[in-house]
Amino acid sequence: NAGVTQTPKFRVLKTGQSMTLLCAQDMNHEYMYWYRQDPGMGLRLIHYSVGEGTTAKGEVPDGYNVSRLKKQNFLLGLESAAPSQTSVYFCASSSSGRMNTGELFFGEGSRLTVL
Amino acid sequence: AQSVTQLDSQVPVFEEAPVELRCNYSSSVSVYLFWYVQYPNQGLQLLLKYLSGSTLVKGINGFEAEFNKSQTSFHLRKPSVHISDTAEYFCAVRRGSGYSTLTFGKGTMLLVSP
Repeated sequence: NAGVTQTPKFRVLKTGQSMTLLCAQDMNHEYMYWYRQDPGMGLRLIHYSVGEGTTAKGEVPDGYNVSRLKKQNFLLGLESAAPSQTSVYFCASSSSGRMNTGELFFGEGSRLTVL
Repeated sequence: AQSVTQLDSQVPVFEEAPVELRCNYSSSVSVYLFWYVQYPNQGLQLLLKYLSGSTLVKGINGFEAEFNKSQTSFHLRKPSVHISDTAEYFCAVRRGSGYSTLTFGKGTMLLVSP
């Protein structure tokens, strides 16, 4: 049972380069999220999606774009990477409907370094 | 909007000692509360959650938390910690009705030493 899978797990970029992080979940969850984790800052929500074809901004969306073309996948893009985007990125998913309690299922993280 | 404050960034404790990790929240509406744990180089996993009902909630690995509405707190406790409990612990809150995203605290690093 894979759960939430993130690729790549590590990446080093130069300032100005672009890249895409891929998140895939096999739990048929409606909701998907991208967070970034920085020391002393906890987890901050970048973007999220409440269903295929929908996206919404979170707390820190600037410099990122997302797409949810398929229900199981949620992509996070950096068009022009900056050193301030050096972070660990986590994807998460959760179920929807009446029984949705907000419990999130997390991937193992993607560590991005921007030089 | 909801917010979460974890009062301690780091809590050192000796093995087999009790521990309490503090969490306070602010919200003008009813809330759901969660504790997540992150072991080194891993993602977060749910430790326990409060949705409604009994204010004392039991989770995995012997942890428990108590919801105190009057003090807007949701402190995490364990009567006797193990070395393997060394991890970062995050408190999180969301609105208790309708859809809303989770808001996380900044985390508390629990350091258990022999």
